[in-house]
Amino acid sequence: TQLLEQSPQFLSIQEGENLTVYCNSSSVFSSLQWYRQEPGEGPVLLVTVVTGGEVKKLKRLTFQFGDARKDSSLHITAAQPGDTGLYLCAGEAGGTSYGKLTFGQGTILTVHP
Amino acid sequence: ETGVTQSPTHLIKTRGQQVTLRCSSQSGHNTVSWYQQALGQGPQFIFQYYREEENGRGNFPPRFSGLQFPNYSSELNVNALELDDSALYLCASSLDRGHEQYFGPGTRLTVT
Repeated sequence: TQLLEQSPQFLSIQEGENLTVYCNSSSVFSSLQWYRQEPGEGPVLLVTVVTGGEVKKLKRLTFQFGDARKDSSLHITAAQPGDTGLYLCAGEAGGTSYGKLTFGQGTILTVHP
Repeated sequence: ETGVTQSPTHLIKTRGQQVTLRCSSQSGHNTVSWYQQALGQGPQFIFQYYREEENGRGNFPPRFSGLQFPNYSSELNVNALELDDSALYLCASSLDRGHEQYFGPGTRLTVT
């Protein structure tokens, strides 16, 4: 069974601060995705990383896939109250698990004005 | 273009009862996946349907079953409901297996 450990579980910061969320596994994933989920809604895809060592940027968000494709991080620079939400990482193992996502437990981010 | 829709939005059932949840996939999408999200947890994969056939199943008992129809909409059925089945049930559709999954807003099921 593949597991994704996400940390921290909760993050409460002030507007303007930087933060990093981590997603770790002992298993290799063919791709790793980051989602954001608002209350009462389904997760919305932010980014997909597929190559070991890959770094992708989305405005103030920077996503990195570990060299061994077992871990990933999400870094937010100068957080804003609009960044508040549940952040989820999800891995796809490939092979017979093609298209099936394994999610981490999520990180609840609260950014105070 | 209409996104993924789910019905009902909320549902309250009694332990032992049966429930059917529905999902309309995005236009042109032939793959539907179902996930269970307990409060404070990430979603857990239940199963996936591709062109009306089950295409993989997570670690859920047989009382969780599903269907996909010719128009690629889908149903999730849960028999003999247990208290631990209380969760948000998410449906996601994709253009094909392995493509980006688009999630619906979910159905909140409460079992009392």
